[in-house]
Parts: sequence; structure tokens; C-alpha cells
Amino acid sequence: NAGVTQTPKFQVLKTGQSMTLQCAQDMNHEYMSWYRQDPGMGLRLIHYSVGAGITDQGEVPNGYNVSRSTTEDFPLRLLSAAPSQTSVYFCASSYSRAGTYEQYFGPGTRLTVT
Amino acid sequence: GQQVMQIPQYQHVQEGEDFTTYCNSSTTLSNIQWYKQRPGGHPVFLIQLVKSGEVKKQKRLTFQFGEAKKNSSLHITATQTTDVGTYFCAGPTRGSTLGRLYFGRGTQLTVWP
Repeated sequence: NAGVTQTPKFQVLKTGQSMTLQCAQDMNHEYMSWYRQDPGMGLRLIHYSVGAGITDQGEVPNGYNVSRSTTEDFPLRLLSAAPSQTSVYFCASSYSRAGTYEQYFGPGTRLTVT
Repeated sequence: GQQVMQIPQYQHVQEGEDFTTYCNSSTTLSNIQWYKQRPGGHPVFLIQLVKSGEVKKQKRLTFQFGEAKKNSSLHITATQTTDVGTYFCAGPTRGSTLGRLYFGRGTQLTVWP
């Protein structure tokens, strides 16, 4: 299994540009989430999904859209990039196993918006 | 806003010293998880605690969940340079979707030889 994969690893955008961060998992996990990590701020939840066709907002959803058409894929769209969206983005997946919801993280995407 | 508070933010220790990080929530947690992130890496799951007062050990790491299920701690005995990284606690609050976690801001551990 490849686990959770994210592309691209690095990206530089100009203010106002749009793009999609890709996330895929091959573990048949029901839950998937997007986090952003900024220095000193820990991991903040952007959007999450409890299954195909079901998504919901996290703590910091503004400026981002998600969709989940399949169990495997959970892309994150930046509608109009802003410098405040410069961050490291992590995608994670998890499933319920005997009450444990261990999250598996992808390697991350480092995004810079100029 | 942030629902899980974690202290300290930074900890510098000499190899062989002990290390503890604390996690506090304003509301009851159904469970709490701990993750480790090495510099430049991604968070990796360490453990989940579910029961009130639960204590679990992984070699030199001891994890505790408070009686009221509002606080937790991670203690490392005799730190090694391989323990370097940021340790995060995370938990869903009561009534929230279990796949949705709130993370603490983490404790960044530096170990010098």
C-alpha cells in the first residue's frame, strides 16, 4: 500500500491564482481530512469528510473548497490564493477500528503564495 | 478556536533527562491521541487513550489520561536524540464527529547530546 499520497510536494502561486492540492489514499479509509500547519499554530482542520459525497467544514475553511466523489480521493481547492494561505498542507485519512481512529498523514505540500 | 491547549511550547533537554508535555481541554474528551512529528516530516500516530485514568507505556514513553478526561500527559524517561521532534495531542470533543480531531499546538522537543 502507498498509504496517503499528496501532490505536489512544493508549489509557488501568485496572489489570485487558483489551484488544487491532490490527496489520495489506498487503504479504503472512510474519514479524510485536510490540515494546515503554520509555525507555532499546530495543525488546524480545514475540511473533513466522513465518506464519499459527505464533507464538512473544520476550524479554518474560508478560501478553500473540497469534494469527495470517491473513497480514495479528497482534493483541496484554493479558489483565489492569498499570502495568508502560505503554509504546509497535510492530508490525513482514518477509519474506525475497535474504537480507535488513528490518522495516517500524507507527506505534505509546502505552498508559498507571493 | 483552539479547544485543546498544550504546554510547554518548547522544551530543551540534555540527553538522559526526562521530558513531559501536558494537554488540557476545556471540555470532556471521548478519547485523546498523541502524535509525533520529526523535523521536516509528517505527524505519526503514537497512541490513543480512551478510559478515565488510563495509563499506557511504550518503552520509555508513558501516556496518561486524566480521571475527568479533560487532560493528558506524555512523559519520556531518559531522552535520546532520536526523541527529537514535535509532540501533539489531539481529541474530538463530546458530540463531534469522531473522525474530526482538534490538535494542540504541540511541544517541540530538542535534545542535545
